[in-house]
Amino acid sequence: AIQMTQSPSSLSASVGDRVTITCRASQGIRNDLGWYQQKPGKAPKLLIYAASSLQSGVPSRFSGSGSGTDFTLTISSLQPEDFATYYCLQDYNYPFTFGPGTKVDIK
Amino acid sequence: EVQLLESGGGLVQPGGSLRLSCAASGFTFSSYAMSWVRQAPGKGLEWVSAISGSGGSTYYADSVKGRFTISRDNSKNTLYLQMNSLRAEDTAVYYCAKVIRAYSSSSIAFDIWGQGTMVTVSS
Repeated sequence: AIQMTQSPSSLSASVGDRVTITCRASQGIRNDLGWYQQKPGKAPKLLIYAASSLQSGVPSRFSGSGSGTDFTLTISSLQPEDFATYYCLQDYNYPFTFGPGTKVDIK
Repeated sequence: EVQLLESGGGLVQPGGSLRLSCAASGFTFSSYAMSWVRQAPGKGLEWVSAISGSGGSTYYADSVKGRFTISRDNSKNTLYLQMNSLRAEDTAVYYCAKVIRAYSSSSIAFDIWGQGTMVTVSS
């Protein structure tokens, strides 16, 4: 199975900060990667699919990039509602695998 | 409104069985693949299983292969997960999710999620 790693595992940031989260696959996965946001006690929410496509209704401050093995989720200006845990997911082949998550909290 | 509603969770003894259901509404159920994802308490997300729109193709995580069976009844707009030989490590919130496919690539994603149902495996 493809292994996914994320860095950092957690970060503290302030409202208005630019935040970057990295996801790395153990082998090339083209652009078959999505990003999900999860708040405590809630279901995950799709933010980005196909590495860089913004899901409908998601604010434009979220963006994704990358291809192959290295991917990035960027929040251009962190808002109070963005404090959450972020997961990447590879859908290149089965079994699909999530990254371990990156928790973004308030500095 | 597009909605997924899971049910069937609960407390079960190790070695026991449970069947989860996910009732879908607001979209043409048979046109979409579906998936199950779980989250153990305090842990990250784990993909569990997926099924094609027709039900003809199924996929499983290694951790559940041979014990869990995914199925669907398109006449009832319902997705199922039959879980047998349950273990303590299967304790988790189980989410069902609707699968969408990117227009410009082979990539897929989970665009709609249910609220989750808790499964606890304990004696």
